[in-house]
Amino acid sequence: EVQLVESGGGLVQPGGSLRLSCAASGFTINSYGMNWVRQAPGKGLEWVSTISGSAGRTHYADSVKGRFTVSRDSSDNTLHLQMDSLRAEDTAVYYCAKVAAGYWHFDLWGRGTLVTVSS
Amino acid sequence: DIVMTQSPDSLAVSLGERATINCKSSQSLLYTSSNKNYLAWYQQKPGQPPKLLIYWASTRESGVPDRFSGSGSGTDFTLTISSLQAEDVAVYYCQQYYSTPPITFGQGTRLEIK
Repeated sequence: EVQLVESGGGLVQPGGSLRLSCAASGFTINSYGMNWVRQAPGKGLEWVSTISGSAGRTHYADSVKGRFTVSRDSSDNTLHLQMDSLRAEDTAVYYCAKVAAGYWHFDLWGRGTLVTVSS
Repeated sequence: DIVMTQSPDSLAVSLGERATINCKSSQSLLYTSSNKNYLAWYQQKPGQPPKLLIYWASTRESGVPDRFSGSGSGTDFTLTISSLQAEDVAVYYCQQYYSTPPITFGQGTRLEIK
């Protein structure tokens, strides 16, 4: 079955760090652009980061640039998001999403993992 | 960055009636060499992740009911539900993928039953 399953969310204090994971099954993540998209409570969708399929180039939203790092591990077909220097405004459900072949619309989403940044 | 603006913010439609959601981009999403508009529509039901409905502005994703249709070109786009069903209650988002990064979404339109 083709699916994405996120993990690693939780409660963290401002300034802290968290590492999210997204386990993919049914396809190889190295063959597709993989993304993180977040949704603050009661708000809309915000793209966070991308790692491209073949070259593994990374891109970030200005709001997280310099604080978040996206990576992938081909050995276990897992996408990661290392989040450092977390702020209250980073509180959101974080979804991983796969792009459709070669283009930047998302044809597969995980169910998300909640990150809460609070003291 | 391309700004996506949806209208209305919320909408209430009677069962069986037509629902129309609009999306306007701050610049054209039409790639002239391919004649494709780089716009997608998603449906998000409460407590669920978004689901892809439409891409290339008018191509329905596999398994999406044919009451959902997308239209428009350039900077103005529309998602139409021809006959609203109870299960269509959701928030709908448009997304541009013409100029990336960043990928940008509209603010969402909440669709309810009247």
